[in-house]
Amino acid sequence: DSGVTQTPKHLITATGQRVTLRCSPRSGDLSVYWYQQSLDQGLQFLIQYYNGEERAKGNILERFSAQQFPDLHSELNLSSLELGDSALYFCASSALQGTDSPLHFGNGTRLTVT
Amino acid sequence: GQNIDQPTEMTATEGAIVQINCTYQTSGFNGLFWYQQHAGEAPTFLSYNVLDGLEEKGRFSSFLSRSKGYSYLLLKELQMKDSASYLCAVRPYTGRRALTFGSGTRLQVQP
Repeated sequence: DSGVTQTPKHLITATGQRVTLRCSPRSGDLSVYWYQQSLDQGLQFLIQYYNGEERAKGNILERFSAQQFPDLHSELNLSSLELGDSALYFCASSALQGTDSPLHFGNGTRLTVT
Repeated sequence: GQNIDQPTEMTATEGAIVQINCTYQTSGFNGLFWYQQHAGEAPTFLSYNVLDGLEEKGRFSSFLSRSKGYSYLLLKELQMKDSASYLCAVRPYTGRRALTFGSGTRLQVQP
């Protein structure tokens, strides 16, 4: 168990809808990262937050947004959903200190858009 | 730009040794990570290299050559449970902590 909690585990919704994915980082970790993993594709970095502020952006679509709250949990909002958004969405957290600190991943949310 | 290459699939026999290669071209380099991911599950951290050379951790070892932009993960005494995808990831530069991942190598261990 990595200590990173993601909810829900599965989400099935229709095109055009909006969903919210939730992540609680490991105790003490201030950084949260969101990744998307489509079928047979690698992990694509979406966005990073550190202590409530956006720190880095990757290949995140304008239809997607995220935030990190004062209690350090984070939410990823996906809107105007398309079939191609079906994927596993992972949240990860890391310790502040040390460039050798790995990312610790949650179990992911499997999103299916029909 | 950033480019990380790994073989797509490999097959090996239980009890044997397998080497999974990774080459990278990134704008800056601040460490290379290997992760294991079973199908539909979370990636789990295996190893980290930032200096040239070999890091050993039980049955798993990882090697890095920064001048060649090359790393490999060595798995010894293969077990059936080692059947999984192995992801190579680079931390591109200081100040950006997010990892850039390769597409992963799917390893099938056969009896």
